[in-house]
Amino acid sequence: EADIYQTPRYLVIGTGKKITLECSQTMGHDKMYWYQQDPGMELHLIHYSYGVNSTEKGDLSSESTVSRIRTEHFPLTLESARPSHTSQYLCASGDREYGSPLHFGNGTRLTVT
Amino acid sequence: AQSVTQPDIHITVSEGASLELRCNYSYGATPYLFWYVQSPGQGLQLLLKYFSGDTLVQGIKGFEAEFKRSQSSFNLRKPSVHWSDAAEYFCAVGAGSNDYKLSFGAGTTVTVRA
Repeated sequence: EADIYQTPRYLVIGTGKKITLECSQTMGHDKMYWYQQDPGMELHLIHYSYGVNSTEKGDLSSESTVSRIRTEHFPLTLESARPSHTSQYLCASGDREYGSPLHFGNGTRLTVT
Repeated sequence: AQSVTQPDIHITVSEGASLELRCNYSYGATPYLFWYVQSPGQGLQLLLKYFSGDTLVQGIKGFEAEFKRSQSSFNLRKPSVHWSDAAEYFCAVGAGSNDYKLSFGAGTTVTVRA
């Protein structure tokens, strides 16, 4: 019943490669978020968007970039992957009502060798 | 800024026993509070949420949580645990007047033994 989709689920890539993690939602949500998740740690917000052409950096500094050209699509790009980027990346969306919960995708587990 | 603490990293419980997961938050006003569950290889699924009204809230899968303002807590409970409840549980607080964001705790891993 997932309405938010992330691809790929798993990605193993070499250092220096450019990668894009895809995230799409079919719920028409204005708000979208990218979180980084490492074992035993809280989820860290790295990017968010409140609508088309709106993007903001989150609480955790990240070398990644995002774009929001369409409401349903919020891709995350790493221009040059490094082993320190190895992590799980979770995409989420929420509607415009204040206090709404977030809906999460199944995540992309990235390994940079 | 808001923050969340989940004091228990790992809890092991017998099937059929009760479960309580602790969550403490820090925020100046009454925040929006959430519990999420994550099964291996999956994203986070919302169990329940609170932002006003009755301080005892019911969620999916038989879970409930109680908001206690005096203790800045929002503990999650289930009276009788099933093996399928083995997962990682995250407490989250949503706040921010013009910049609404969710902040998460580090999670509690629940192991269910037969």
